[in-house]
Amino acid sequence: KQEVTQIPAALSVPEGENLVLNCSFTDSAIYNLQWFRQDPGKGLTSLLLIQSSQREQTSGRLNASLDKSSGRSTLYIAASQPGDSATYLCAVYGNDMRFGAGTRLTVKP
Amino acid sequence: DGGITQSPKYLFRKEGQNVTLSCEQNLNHDAMYWYRQDPGQGLRLIYYSQIVNDFQKGDIAEGYSVSREKKESFPLTVTSAQKNPTAFYLCASSTQLSTEAFFGQGTRLTVV
Repeated sequence: KQEVTQIPAALSVPEGENLVLNCSFTDSAIYNLQWFRQDPGKGLTSLLLIQSSQREQTSGRLNASLDKSSGRSTLYIAASQPGDSATYLCAVYGNDMRFGAGTRLTVKP
Repeated sequence: DGGITQSPKYLFRKEGQNVTLSCEQNLNHDAMYWYRQDPGQGLRLIYYSQIVNDFQKGDIAEGYSVSREKKESFPLTVTSAQKNPTAFYLCASSTQLSTEAFFGQGTRLTVV
């Protein structure tokens, strides 16, 4: 069974800092990996989807990388803003969709 | 507007009652999913469906039931057999399994 781990569980940074969130998974036979953002009490908003044949995807200040062989993905956020404060979840697609527990990010003004 | 609609947003259940959470999508997606989220935890898969009239159990299916009679709809029933149903429930859909998923806004269920 696929296990997905996200480190750190929580992160607090000052505004403007660049940061990296980590996601690791135990079974490298995946189709896709997707990063989501979740605000308190809300559903999930898709940030980036990386297909298994890709190594990275970029959207604005966000860059996600995927290394299937090592079972790792990172989400890089450049020049963080208070509006980036949320929980970030990674989902790994194999025969179903499995999630990590998330990283709760706080960006202080 | 295309998307996934979950209703109600908040739901209260008395002990021993069954309740049904609604999930409707107009994205023409074949696959649909139900997840449960507890505070500080990730999403755990309850049930998923690849196609109409077919569904599979996830990791925590006990105490839950689903149906998929229409492509657009995937309702989840929380039965009285579910001992700890208080949680945030999220529905998702995708064109097929293992493709990009889109989520509804969730239903918060509380046992009173």
